[in-house]
Amino acid sequence: KNEVEQSPQNLTAQEGEFITINCSYSVGISALHWLQQHPGGGIVSLFMLSSGKKKHGRLIATINIQEKHSSLHITASHPRDSAVYICAVRRIQGAQKLVFGQGTRLTINP
Amino acid sequence: EAGVAQSPRYKIIEKRQSVAFWCNPISGHATLYWYQQILGQGPKLLIQFQNNGVVDDSQLPKDRFSAERLKGVDSTLKIQPAKLEDSAVYLCASSSLLGGADTQYFGPGTRLTVL
Repeated sequence: KNEVEQSPQNLTAQEGEFITINCSYSVGISALHWLQQHPGGGIVSLFMLSSGKKKHGRLIATINIQEKHSSLHITASHPRDSAVYICAVRRIQGAQKLVFGQGTRLTINP
Repeated sequence: EAGVAQSPRYKIIEKRQSVAFWCNPISGHATLYWYQQILGQGPKLLIQFQNNGVVDDSQLPKDRFSAERLKGVDSTLKIQPAKLEDSAVYLCASSSLLGGADTQYFGPGTRLTVL
């Protein structure tokens, strides 16, 4: 079983819809990252969270440490939001490398 | 501020050939990472450098993969000989804090196809 699981794996929605992508993890962490990857491979860091909630424009990320769960929300979705969204966690124990989820492919249709 | 640079962007080779990738991190970033991302999966860490020392290479297939960061700045990743299953995007990332416990900045990646 992967230490980081994302759902759904694929999500297609219409422009303007409210989007939620979920991330569950099974290890103790010091931080959780949400990343965006566009076609062509480039990855951009969206958020780094260790508790609570962060907001940047139309993007909101929340984390519940007790439940080992995080969500990424997109309000008023737009076709340019189409990308793969990746959750990654930094473990407390052992090597402090990032462990990545498999990604959620989001497609927003106009 | 210039981002993380990688070259080449694309490479096609035949199995058993050798290939090398280059990465130039953001100026002043102490920590450099090489990741392998197979299609449909999240990135997997191959090796992490802190300045010119190796912090973690536990998932690097050392029989065929090697990496160096001689002067603590740019880095090369080599595969010799390549196998079909090495087809992937190779991502380089850097971060400013020692130990890398902050935001990582990713390069555009090198897409390797092994035929």
